[in-house]
Amino acid sequence: TQLLEQSPQFLSIQEGENLTVYCNSSSVFSSLQWYRQEPGEGPVLLVTVVTGGEVKKLKRLTFQFGDARKDSSLHITAAQPGDTGLYLCAGEGNNFNKFYFGSGTKLNVKP
Amino acid sequence: DSGVTQTPKHLITATGQRVTLRCSPRSGDLSVYWYQQSLDQGLQFLIQYYNGEERAKGNILERFSAQQFPDLHSELNLSSLELGDSALYFCASSVDPGGGDEQFFGPGTRLTVL
Repeated sequence: TQLLEQSPQFLSIQEGENLTVYCNSSSVFSSLQWYRQEPGEGPVLLVTVVTGGEVKKLKRLTFQFGDARKDSSLHITAAQPGDTGLYLCAGEGNNFNKFYFGSGTKLNVKP
Repeated sequence: DSGVTQTPKHLITATGQRVTLRCSPRSGDLSVYWYQQSLDQGLQFLIQYYNGEERAKGNILERFSAQQFPDLHSELNLSSLELGDSALYFCASSVDPGGGDEQFFGPGTRLTVL
């Protein structure tokens, strides 16, 4: 069962544009993580959000955890070709031992 | 380099066969997770071990099994392989078993079942 839904599934934009990726669920999560994965490699953690309503910034990336801890968003400002990759959100279940991954958003930033 | 190693990198085998995937966690990490990623899909959590003991189970088939050894490396055994088992298998490790702890992923093993 896929508990986390990500949208959009695919996104192709020009360098310099802004974008937002969404991660939604009907379940409450203890924490939520965002990863970026490049072809042929394992996912790399970008951020972990724990508190409802929390906002974290990582250079041009802004992450927000919903107040109810059921959803999250990732906003990228002035996207660059180096941002190209598969972005995955992962929610940690309340038993702290299971991570549920979304199906990902494949981002392509064209120069 | 995450510090997590996985072998082999690629594996090609036939239906009905059995294979073993190996993972060495980062130095100091006690927890190991196994995930399956099919083409263009997110990761499906299979199983987690912490300090040698099974901690959590996800969508792991009965044909699959895993264990974590005293030196903390882990093996994922896949038997009676089917075409649909073709996927990337990732291992991740963390210091603690949960609580928002960061997981570090290995480079994965690409399994192709013909």
